[in-house]
Amino acid sequence: QKEVEQNSGPLSVPEGAIASLNCTYSDRVSQSFFWYRQYSGKSPELIMSIYSNGDKEDGRFTAQLNKASQYVSLLIRDSQPSDSATYLCAGYNQGGKLIFGQGTELSVKP
Amino acid sequence: DVKVTQSSRYLVKRTGEKVFLECVQDMDHENMFWYRQDPGLGLRLIYFSYDVKMKEKGDIPEGYSVSREKKERFSLILESASTNQTSMYLCASSLHYGYTFGSGTRLTVV
Repeated sequence: QKEVEQNSGPLSVPEGAIASLNCTYSDRVSQSFFWYRQYSGKSPELIMSIYSNGDKEDGRFTAQLNKASQYVSLLIRDSQPSDSATYLCAGYNQGGKLIFGQGTELSVKP
Repeated sequence: DVKVTQSSRYLVKRTGEKVFLECVQDMDHENMFWYRQDPGLGLRLIYFSYDVKMKEKGDIPEGYSVSREKKERFSLILESASTNQTSMYLCASSLHYGYTFGSGTRLTVV
């Protein structure tokens, strides 16, 4: 099993809908997680971090961490075309390095 | 805000040339990283450094070396550029949790 796994997508949602992005992780990954947004041709930008079991909200974004099931998700409410990007999930491995998933491409259709 | 600056946005080099990619961060971060990103392969760690004069190999160090003479600067060196090193190169830095990325250098080797 890969340390951090994401569905590559593309995930397509209509404008105004909730986009749900999911990520699973192995036992080799610690429980501090990050979501990065990467626009085409640009570098990743940190948008959310979550360290504790449960939900963390920031504006239209909610990160969810479920340690028992080893998954972390990102919900984007009221999706906008400007949210169209690739979203990368990342977590620290036991060697102290941040491990990235392959990314999920999100497309928000007007 | 932490700023991570990569000296070149786009670079075209010839096969066999020695190539230097420079990265500078302005927030006194201990940790610096070099990644390359290719379609379908995600982010792959080339080298990282946790302190001045210190360097560690990442997952794909072959064909690369690094230099960290000062805390704020981490350079990636392609000893003899080859066409399979055509890629987007991303530098990142961190203090404790989460990485901040530079804007990236798109290198083409012809």
